[in-house]
Amino acid sequence: LAKTTQPISMDSYEGQEVNITCSHNNIATNDYITWYQQFPSQGPRFIIQGYKTKVTNEVASLFIPADRKSSTLSLPRVSLSDTAVYYCLVEKRTGRRALTFGSGTRLQVQP
Amino acid sequence: NAGVTQTPKFQVLKTGQSMTLQCAQDMNHEYMSWYRQDPGMGLRLIHYSVGAGITDQGEVPNGYNVSRSTTEDFPLRLLSAAPSQTSVYFCASRRDQQMPLHFGNGTRLTVT
Repeated sequence: LAKTTQPISMDSYEGQEVNITCSHNNIATNDYITWYQQFPSQGPRFIIQGYKTKVTNEVASLFIPADRKSSTLSLPRVSLSDTAVYYCLVEKRTGRRALTFGSGTRLQVQP
Repeated sequence: NAGVTQTPKFQVLKTGQSMTLQCAQDMNHEYMSWYRQDPGMGLRLIHYSVGAGITDQGEVPNGYNVSRSTTEDFPLRLLSAAPSQTSVYFCASRRDQQMPLHFGNGTRLTVT
């Protein structure tokens, strides 16, 4: 299983771009990367997923370098409602389940 | 659609007691799984199922049993609760292994 490392916490202000990086040095060839957002007393909620290069959706972008040993979640122009914990997940997508969640990054957005 | 529903939301057990955490989904998802979340750690996979009648162990299966008799339900059983099982438990489902996980809102379990 890939071991994942994330910063424990980050602070930002409304309107800024926030980049959260997850390190996964021993990621396997068949592993995919997914990011989830979690609010207090709720389950994690899907944000974005990818395998390599760059993926963008309506709420975030995910940057994965060629060696895939890290990934960066980019949140453009954050608002107070983006205050949450963000988890990266490295997961084997075929065969027997094998996955590793990061320990989470607590993002605090201030006005 | 209600999505993934977990009951109860909170539970306090004494050491040695047994209980079942319920999980139900109404999205007709084949894949269901259970995780525990402890402070300072990410979610860890306990057990998972790829369809009715099929279950397998995850990273931390000891002390937990599961069964999958229907597509909708995936209960997690603690046969003899221990303080080390104090945690927040999440159930998740997905249509297939390529799709994102849909999580319930968790059960907070305290074992004294």
